[in-house]
Parts: sequence; C-alpha cells; structure tokens
Amino acid sequence: GIQVEQSPPDLILQEGANSTLRCNFSDSVNNLQWFHQNPWGQLINLFYIPSGTKQNGRLSATTVATERYSLLYISSSQTTDSGVYFCAVEEETSGSRLTFGEGTQLTVNP
Amino acid sequence: DGGITQSPKYLFRKEGQNVTLSCEQNLNHDAMYWYRQDPGQGLRLIYYSQIVNDFQKGDIAEGYSVSREKKESFPLTVTSAQKNPTAFYLCASTKTQAYNSPLHFGNGTRLTVT
Repeated sequence: GIQVEQSPPDLILQEGANSTLRCNFSDSVNNLQWFHQNPWGQLINLFYIPSGTKQNGRLSATTVATERYSLLYISSSQTTDSGVYFCAVEEETSGSRLTFGEGTQLTVNP
Repeated sequence: DGGITQSPKYLFRKEGQNVTLSCEQNLNHDAMYWYRQDPGQGLRLIYYSQIVNDFQKGDIAEGYSVSREKKESFPLTVTSAQKNPTAFYLCASTKTQAYNSPLHFGNGTRLTVT
C-alpha cells in the first residue's frame, strides 16, 4: 500500500512564529487532506487539496502531486494551534479509503 | 446541526466481553469509516462501507465486526478475539463520487479493556 511520511515528527514554537509541515507520499493519489487533532482528540478537517494551493486564514496548503508531496503552512502561530497535524491520502486504486501519516505534534508556547 | 455522533465517549469492559460502539451521522453521507488510534500514533483503518449492506475490511479488521443496515448508522463490535482492544476509536463519513468532499469525524470513543 501507499506510504505516507510526515515531517518533522515534533515541533515546538513560540507564539507568533511561522512553520511548515511536510507530507510525502509514495504513489499517485486522488485525494489529499490535512487534519488537526486537538488535545481532546477531536479531528478537524483543514484542507481537501489533491493539487494546487489553498488558504484559510493563517493556514495555507500546497500539494505538488507530480512530485508527491504536500506542505502545510501555519503563520503567526497561536497556542490554540497546538495539537497533532495529520496528512491523509487516497491512493488512486484504493477506492475512497484514506491512509494517514503518523502526524506532526505541534506545541505553541505563549 | 449536521454531524457524526459517537457514543459512549468512554467505555470500560472486562477482557473476554464483546462491546459495540455506536456511530450515527445525519450528513446524508454515503461512505462511513472506523479508525483506531493508539497513543502517539496515526489512524489505522478497521472497516469501511461505501453503501448500505456492503462493507470492506481495512488494514486491521481482525477481531472486529461491523454492519451497515441503514445509511445513517455504522456500529462497530470489538470482539473478544481482538488481542489488544484498548484504544481510541474514531468514526468518519464522507460523500462518495463527489469532488471536494472532505472526511468528517465524530468525537471518538475511548475504550479501556482490563
């Protein structure tokens, strides 16, 4: 099956700093999504981005499908951005099932 | 408000007992999924269903069973055959055959088996 690798595994920032999270995948995909899991375990969908660039407030994401990677940018980070960020991909042959990476644990300190 | 409801939030069981986790959605989504999450790890797919009365095994289906008798409901049974059932279980849903249809999650059930 497809392999999904996220980096870095852990990231500690001061409030106000910017960061870039990376997701590499091993095969062609139909679908790529970014999620944020808060400290209480709730998973929120941030972006549906199989290709191109999208922005939502302080967050933006870019997927370069031909090179098999996606980037999530967080600008002017806030303590509420803390949590785990997951990338998930749908392999072209998988029939609408998403495979998740191991996540990036982000801690934003005040 | 539309959403996915998982119940209960916390569940405690003795080893050897089967337990059923509930998942209901009112988003009119076609596909539903069960994921398992262990501490500090990503999500692993247990079972998924794209249509009523049909479901497929995911990557870690052994020791679990599901049913999909209604579009809105996708209960997961953790059987006594599951060797290490203590985990955080997440249900999700999405529309199929639709572009830009993100995956939505419920709030999860934390199962502890002793």
